Amino acid sequence: DVKVTQSSRYLVKRTGEKVFLECVQDMDHENMFWYRQDPGLGLRLIYFSYDVKMKEKGDIPEGYSVSREKKERFSLILESASTNQTSMYLCASSLAAAGELFFGEGSRLTVL
Amino acid sequence: AQTVTQSQPEMSVQEAETVTLSCTYDTSESDYYLFWYKQPPSRQMILVIRQEAYKQQNATENRFSVNFQKAAKSFSLKISDSQLGDAAMYFCAKDSGGSNYKLTFGKGTLLTVNP
Repeated sequence: DVKVTQSSRYLVKRTGEKVFLECVQDMDHENMFWYRQDPGLGLRLIYFSYDVKMKEKGDIPEGYSVSREKKERFSLILESASTNQTSMYLCASSLAAAGELFFGEGSRLTVL
Repeated sequence: AQTVTQSQPEMSVQEAETVTLSCTYDTSESDYYLFWYKQPPSRQMILVIRQEAYKQQNATENRFSVNFQKAAKSFSLKISDSQLGDAAMYFCAKDSGGSNYKLTFGKGTLLTVNP
């Protein structure tokens, strides 16, 4: 069965902390994505990667960076967390362009 | 930037009835894909249905079907014989066409199913 696993379901961090959100997929998918989900705003793409060590900015990359050292793992990094980064973060993967996205359960981050 | 618009923030339907969720989008491409995703409460988002723009035939998946109007840039989702398990947030999404991997999502429609 297809599986995208996000390391933490709930996190509480303080302003200025460095935050790592980890995502692992077991489907050998080429493409991985990080979205942010906020009420009334839908899903907004932060970064995506179509190959190991490759990354591209999405629509709202400011304040975030990513790392993809291995095909199955895609990490989202908040270098210095701020309160406006309190949100639900969704990781997804897909096999090909316009392919079905498989989502993780989400990581709800609260920055105090 | 392209936009995907879901004009109904919330909808409700009686069990066993039919409901239609609306979606319109902006595009200059002729070839692209459209999607409906479902996010049940506290559960993972899953794909409901996908439509390829060059196909004139509307996609169907069991009780779920779409009404794709390419010229009008409209892509609505019809749920027939609604079930309690259909209660969820529904998102319409469109890819960027070509070899681009990005999806743009609408803001979502929260569907309530009343017993």
